Amino acid sequence: EAQVTQNPRYLITVTGKKLTVTCSQNMNHEYMSWYRQDPGLGLRQIYYSMNVEVTDKGDVPEGYKVSRKEKRNFPLILESPSPNQTSLYFCASSFTVNSYNEQFFGPGTRLTVL
Amino acid sequence: KQEVTQIPAALSVPEGENLVLNCSFTDSAIYNLQWFRQDPGKGLTSLLLIQSSQREQTSGRLNASLDKSSGRSTLYIAASQPGDSATYLCAVRPRNYGQNFVFGPGTRLSVLP
Repeated sequence: EAQVTQNPRYLITVTGKKLTVTCSQNMNHEYMSWYRQDPGLGLRQIYYSMNVEVTDKGDVPEGYKVSRKEKRNFPLILESPSPNQTSLYFCASSFTVNSYNEQFFGPGTRLTVL
Repeated sequence: KQEVTQIPAALSVPEGENLVLNCSFTDSAIYNLQWFRQDPGKGLTSLLLIQSSQREQTSGRLNASLDKSSGRSTLYIAASQPGDSATYLCAVRPRNYGQNFVFGPGTRLSVLP
């Protein structure tokens, strides 16, 4: 089944404890991205990657890191999480960035930073 | 900077009604516009993708239109059902601001039995 998977789905952690949220897609997509969703602010893009070893900042990249060593994986790293990073996170992918390709979303990761 | 708005913010209708959700964007230079559905606490399900060269797309009871010059898209839902209750999001892929998608805030739809 073609899908985007994220792990973990739920995570409660404490301030400053490094964490990684994994994202994997099995559709051979070149483009992958991370979003956060917050009440009243909607979905905002954190980072995106147009292909292996190519990453770029989105609208809200502060406090996050990403890597794209393999085409299928795009982990989101929080080196020192803070309470303002409590949010619902989504990973998404599409074949390329041209106009013909829709984005597919993962199920989301709900992160709470105490 | 591209901005996307959606009207109304919330909508409650009786089952069986036809309804229209609106999406507006400030810059017509887009690659495409995509409509999503999101159930509470869940992920996003893609409903329809309209390319910049297209005027509309249809899938079952859903029909989405795009008027790029006026910066508007509408999602028409025919014969609404309680199972249609969800938040509907539109997103545009701008040509002029890197490769970011820009999402609207969503319309929360409740279809009452």
